[in-house]
Amino acid sequence: NAGVTQTPKFQVLKTGQSMTLQCAQDMNHEYMSWYRQDPGMGLRLIHYSVGAGITDQGEVPNGYNVSRSTTEDFPLRLLSAAPSQTSVYFCASSSLGGKGTEAFFGQGTRLTVV
Amino acid sequence: TQLLEQSPQFLSIQEGENLTVYCNSSSVFSSLQWYRQEPGEGPVLLVTVVTGGEVKKLKRLTFQFGDARKDSSLHITAAQPGDTGLYLCAGADSRGGADGLTFGKGTHLIIQP
Repeated sequence: NAGVTQTPKFQVLKTGQSMTLQCAQDMNHEYMSWYRQDPGMGLRLIHYSVGAGITDQGEVPNGYNVSRSTTEDFPLRLLSAAPSQTSVYFCASSSLGGKGTEAFFGQGTRLTVV
Repeated sequence: TQLLEQSPQFLSIQEGENLTVYCNSSSVFSSLQWYRQEPGEGPVLLVTVVTGGEVKKLKRLTFQFGDARKDSSLHITAAQPGDTGLYLCAGADSRGGADGLTFGKGTHLIIQP
């Protein structure tokens, strides 16, 4: 079972470059989200979506865009990469199960901006 | 903004010892989840506690949700090297789901043989 698949696993960007982190899930989950994980900061929510065509901002949305054209895919776009965006990015999905619903995470994308 | 404080941040103990990790907040959560994360991987759910005062056991791991649903603890009995990892607590609001989680900063646990 694939679950949540993130690509690429590693990426190095130069300051000012743009790129898209891909996320796909095959569990027909309505909810999808992007988190970044930094040392000493835990996981912080960037953007999330509660269904196709619906997205909203999380705690740290600046410098990132998302779209949700299908249930399966939720790409994260970095418009103009900055060193402060060096981090490990995780995509997660879950069903509309209400409280206590399990979030399934991808393996992460380790991004370095130089 | 809801905040979750985890303690300790780092813990290194010998195999066979017991330990407790705490997750505290001033906010009430609809439910609280514990995840374990290994290097190079995403977090994986261990347990969800929903009812105030609830206790759940997963082999040598015991999870408790505070009566007021503001705090939780994870107790490991007779720790094993395989328990090494990053333990994250996450509070869920009434919606639940991947978008409604507030994570603590995590406890890095090392169990030495």
